[in-house]
Amino acid sequence: QVQLVQSGGEVKKPGASVKVSCKTSGYIFTNYIMFWVRQAPGQGLEWIGTIDPSGGGTTYSQRLQARLTLTRDVSTSTAYMELTRLRSEDTAVYYCTSMLTFWGQGTLVTVSS
Amino acid sequence: EIVMTQTPISLSVTPGQPASISCKSSQSLRYSDGKTYLYWYLQKPGQPPRLLIYEVFNRFSGVPDRFSGSGSETDFTLKISRVETEDVGIYYCMQNAHLPPITFGQGTRLEIK
Repeated sequence: QVQLVQSGGEVKKPGASVKVSCKTSGYIFTNYIMFWVRQAPGQGLEWIGTIDPSGGGTTYSQRLQARLTLTRDVSTSTAYMELTRLRSEDTAVYYCTSMLTFWGQGTLVTVSS
Repeated sequence: EIVMTQTPISLSVTPGQPASISCKSSQSLRYSDGKTYLYWYLQKPGQPPRLLIYEVFNRFSGVPDRFSGSGSETDFTLKISRVETEDVGIYYCMQNAHLPPITFGQGTRLEIK
């Protein structure tokens, strides 16, 4: 069955960077677009970016594009989300979702001094 | 950016009774391929969103048939024919007809009376 397993929670200081992984299985990784969505505590869902695992092409939210990098490793069927120059307002659960259908369990990133 | 507006923000329903959630988009969600890219999700506390309905009215695999979606262009509705206790959570509509960005409604909280 399709599975997306994300890396564990992170606590970072303002100005630091974080990299979250999303390891997939159960389907052909390069066949389906991977989306990243985040959810601040008690808030709704916010799309932050998209990567095409086949060619590596990316699209980022305007709000984060200067600080966000999405990558993938086809050999391990894993997608990555890196966010730099972290701010307190980046505190959120970050989700990877394949085809907007199958979702990872989420990774809590806490930014606090 | 397409704005998605859900109503009501919350609803309280007696088990066995119907429930209905509205989602309106600021632009038509009909894409040039003729499909309408409107999705519905249910999110329970501490869990990622779960896909219920895709492309307006298609139930995803394993979704009970008490859930149904309808609508067109800018007005959409999710209906639950007979609410069960397991249906509690927050319901989100989402569009990916015009991206970037993908946008979500603000969510509708369903509770049981």
